[in-house]
Amino acid sequence: DTAVSQTPKYLVTQMGNDKSIKCEQNLGHDTMYWYKQDSKKFLKIMFSYNNKELIINETVPNRFSPKSPDKAHLNLHINSLELGDSAVYFCASSQGSWGQEAFFGQGTRLTVV
Amino acid sequence: AQSVAQPEDQVNVAEGNPLTVKCTYSVSGNPYLFWYVQYPNRGLQFLLKYITGDNLVKGSYGFEAEFNKSQTSFHLKKPSALVSDSALYFCAVRVVSSNTGKLIFGQGTTLQVKP
Repeated sequence: DTAVSQTPKYLVTQMGNDKSIKCEQNLGHDTMYWYKQDSKKFLKIMFSYNNKELIINETVPNRFSPKSPDKAHLNLHINSLELGDSAVYFCASSQGSWGQEAFFGQGTRLTVV
Repeated sequence: AQSVAQPEDQVNVAEGNPLTVKCTYSVSGNPYLFWYVQYPNRGLQFLLKYITGDNLVKGSYGFEAEFNKSQTSFHLKKPSALVSDSALYFCAVRVVSSNTGKLIFGQGTTLQVKP
């Protein structure tokens, strides 16, 4: 069983489109995250939810909107995609947001053309 | 500013030799430190963590890390490297943000183990 699963794994789309990435975890964790990994492999947190409540919202453009229908799911919707949005997006989850390690999904490679 | 640094972009080691991947941090308060590994086209996998207690932490795949408070370091080590250890390694620190914790990652270090 996959602990943290993301769909799709690859996403190629044109500038200006709107797209969503879905994430589900079956670990029973109460905290979920979205991270962005750029072309230089640098990882930066975007959002974090705890029990469906947004607790971390980094300086991310408003075009990015996370949604957590329940604590096992955290989706990422992106409006009006731009070339600079091309990256690998990772979903992760942890139990609490302090001492416990985070488990990561396989990533979604987004390419905007 | 709270941060974590990995000073080496790449570390090259011969198989069977010991390896060290360096990490230093800057946080206020007690640090929660983590190491992750990323294989090509894969997500990050947790290796080990330091929260409190013994400064030498043992983790997955024979890796260990030593917490050094005076040098603010948390270097990753393995006594005998394998070719299969070749991957991208990230050090991370949990920092306070809006009354909760978030992971800040270092820049990553590519480990290349040659036969």
